[in-house]
Amino acid sequence: DQQVKQNSPSLSVQEGRISILNCDYTNSMFDYFLWYKKYPAEGPTFLISISSIKDKNEDGRFTVFLNKSAKHLSLHIVPSQPGDSAVYFCAAGQGGSEKLVFGKGTKLTVNP
Amino acid sequence: DVKVTQSSRYLVKRTGEKVFLECVQDMDHENMFWYRQDPGLGLRLIYFSYDVKMKEKGDIPEGYSVSREKKERFSLILESASTNQTSMYLCASSLASLETQYFGPGTRLLVL
Repeated sequence: DQQVKQNSPSLSVQEGRISILNCDYTNSMFDYFLWYKKYPAEGPTFLISISSIKDKNEDGRFTVFLNKSAKHLSLHIVPSQPGDSAVYFCAAGQGGSEKLVFGKGTKLTVNP
Repeated sequence: DVKVTQSSRYLVKRTGEKVFLECVQDMDHENMFWYRQDPGLGLRLIYFSYDVKMKEKGDIPEGYSVSREKKERFSLILESASTNQTSMYLCASSLASLETQYFGPGTRLLVL
């Protein structure tokens, strides 16, 4: 039973354009969401997070949007750069639990 | 900056060998985690620990055990390595629940 789903295994965009990565979740108890970026042969690095009391969080080129009623979040990267090419993981957590639940990842390729 | 280190980046072992993977964090974090990452399957939690000598099973604990004798160190043990344990192993730590998990660089294990 996948509680966090990233339905697109891959995404390809042109440099300078917007990248939109999507994530859906099923557990309404989740109240904290994160995005991680992972390059091959490296550990994931934290990118941005959002708590359930917000619907948007922005950090430079990265913005995460949360739609609680749809149980959907998205990561926007504007403008996309070739160095953004990586696998992006969505993760969710809930208060009182130390664990995060991860999606399977979306491989983003930004073409020069 | 949080630093999570793992004892080896690459490891080759034979079927049946006992394998130790070590992880050390330097930020006095309460929680530590072991994941494995496989293509198409995302990050799957093996075990985690929320305090010294405390551990809990994750989603795929079979064939693994863990040890946390000191707060900064969390070891993953493969009692008798098998070829289906060939994978990328990732260690992470976090301060508390609803806090970001920080990952080490990963250990790529090949079991022959």
